Amino acid sequence: AQSVAQPEDQVNVAEGNPLTVKCTYSVSGNPYLFWYVQYPNRGLQFLLKYITGDNLVKGSYGFEAEFNKSQTSFHLKKPSALVSDSALYFCAVRDGMGGYNKLIFGAGTRLAVHP
Amino acid sequence: GAVVSQHPSWVICKSGTSVKIECRSLDFQATTMFWYRQFPKQSLMLMATSNEGSKATYEQGVEKDKFLINHASLTLSTLTVTSAHPEDSSFYICSETGEWGDTQYFGPGTRLTVL
Repeated sequence: AQSVAQPEDQVNVAEGNPLTVKCTYSVSGNPYLFWYVQYPNRGLQFLLKYITGDNLVKGSYGFEAEFNKSQTSFHLKKPSALVSDSALYFCAVRDGMGGYNKLIFGAGTRLAVHP
Repeated sequence: GAVVSQHPSWVICKSGTSVKIECRSLDFQATTMFWYRQFPKQSLMLMATSNEGSKATYEQGVEKDKFLINHASLTLSTLTVTSAHPEDSSFYICSETGEWGDTQYFGPGTRLTVL
């Protein structure tokens, strides 16, 4: 079965420092991987995805993620964190088994950027 | 990406009443939409896949008679929580896959509180 793991419940980083939010996956076949961000009482906003091609994927708001097949990881990164980046981040993998483009989400990681 | 709206954004109801939540695709004709629920400080759980013109596909453990889904047009899917109880209180979020079908775009969510 497809799954994703986000090993950190919370990540704390100082404004201006680089940030990394970790995600590992387990899939059969080629993975379709996604990152979303959720602000309080809001739906999810799409940040970026990996389907095929370059291992370094660039997304919205200066975020990027690196697909690493050997480590089965898809960590989210940003060179310089902003206080406004503080939110809940979800990694997800597409479950192609059901044929309906279902997404399986990780538990989420809360990012706190301190001034 | 696709633009998805939900209405209402929040609703409070008495136990035993029914509540309807609307999910609209504003810029795309969506044959497939998804309904998720999210409990506080938890991840999203897929409830069902809504298919235009046919019956919804429910995930295991989701009561289809309690959570009625109707996808009568290409731009509107509705979720009706019938005979709501306090344990149904949650954040309900819908999504659709947009023109290319490989990325889900989410609505802003509906906060349901059952007294």
